[in-house]
This record gives sequence, structure tokens and C-alpha cells, in this order.
Amino acid sequence: GQNIDQPTEMTATEGAIVQINCTYQTSGFNGLFWYQQHAGEAPTFLSYNVLDGLEEKGRFSSFLSRSKGYSYLLLKELQMKDSASYLCAVRVEDTGRRALTFGSGTRLQVQP
Amino acid sequence: DAGITQSPRHKVTETGTPVTLRCHQTENHRYMYWYRQDPGHGLRLIHYSYGVKDTDKGEVSDGYSVSRSKTEDFLLTLESATSSQTSVYFCAISEGGVNTEAFFGQGTRLTVV
Repeated sequence: GQNIDQPTEMTATEGAIVQINCTYQTSGFNGLFWYQQHAGEAPTFLSYNVLDGLEEKGRFSSFLSRSKGYSYLLLKELQMKDSASYLCAVRVEDTGRRALTFGSGTRLQVQP
Repeated sequence: DAGITQSPRHKVTETGTPVTLRCHQTENHRYMYWYRQDPGHGLRLIHYSYGVKDTDKGEVSDGYSVSRSKTEDFLLTLESATSSQTSVYFCAISEGGVNTEAFFGQGTRLTVV
């Protein structure tokens, strides 16, 4: 099976930078995804990493270290609208389902 | 936005009654999934489909069944609803490529009383 851990809650200040960590233990790792989910809404895709390193997309960046089973999502220039839950998910290659296994999510509160 | 619609969006039902949730997509994606989301558990996979009439179980499939008779529709049925099935249910679709993301529907909030 897979085990994915991320902090339950984080608080940060508008305009600052925040890093949300995710650690995972899985066999047949085949990619790590980050999703954003506002309260009462559907998760929306943010980023994907399959190779080690940093992927940058505007204010959001995601990093992956496969050897350490570790990823982080970096949010820069925080805005109030970034208050949401951030879900880390992994895909494994030894199943035909192509499904994602999710962590419990990190609820980020951005304060003025 | 991906064309994916769930119905109903909200439902209250009584214990022991059957319930069917519908997921409809207009993207012609091969893979469809049903997840449930509960506080402290994140999204958990119930069932998935990798083609018409091709379905399989996820991690929390007990008490649920699914059907996919057309590419665009994936139905989730609770044969006899229980209070433990009170949850928010999300449908997701994916092309299935290794680096392709899943797109989620807006969710169905189901309350079993």
C-alpha cells in the first residue's frame, strides 16, 4: 500500500512564502501531483512531478526527491485567495487503475 | 474546465434505502473514478473504470457498486445506505496517460439519516 503524510494545518501571512511538505512511502512510484481545494469545491490540479527537481508555474513551484520520498509545494507572494486545502497525491505504476492516492491534505490559512 | 457533471449535488436519504449517484463527462476520457472525502481521511478511491463495462474496486469499495454502460456515464450505487456512508462523493476523469492529471466533478454531498 501507500502512505502519504502532510501537515494538517498551516498559517501564513499575505505576501509571504510558504512551503507545504509531503512525504510518501510507496512501491512503483510513477508521479506526484498537487491539487488545490477551496472549501466546498472540487480539487483542481496545480502541478505534477515525476523526475527529481523543481517545477515552477507562476507563483507555485513543486519539488520532488524520489530517493527521499519527499515533495514540497512552494507558494510565493501569498494572496488571501490562496487560503485552501492542498492535497498531495501519488500515482503508482503497478496497477492498471491509473488512480491517484491522496494524503489527507494541508489546510492553509492566509492572514492579512 | 473539464466537462464533468455530477448529479445530484445534494441528497438526504434514509438508512437502508438504495441511492445512485451519476457522473457524466463530455471529454471522452477513458478512465473514471469515484472517491469519497471525509475529514481526516482525504480522498479515498471507491471504484474506478478503465472502459465501458470495465470496472474494478478501490480501497473502500464495501457497500458500493458501479456501472459504466457508456463512455460518458459512470454510476455509483449504494445498495443499502448506512450512516457511515455520509460523505462528499467526487467523480474524477482522466485520459490515463502516465503524466496526465485527473479532473474532478463538483461533488455530491450525501447525508444518510
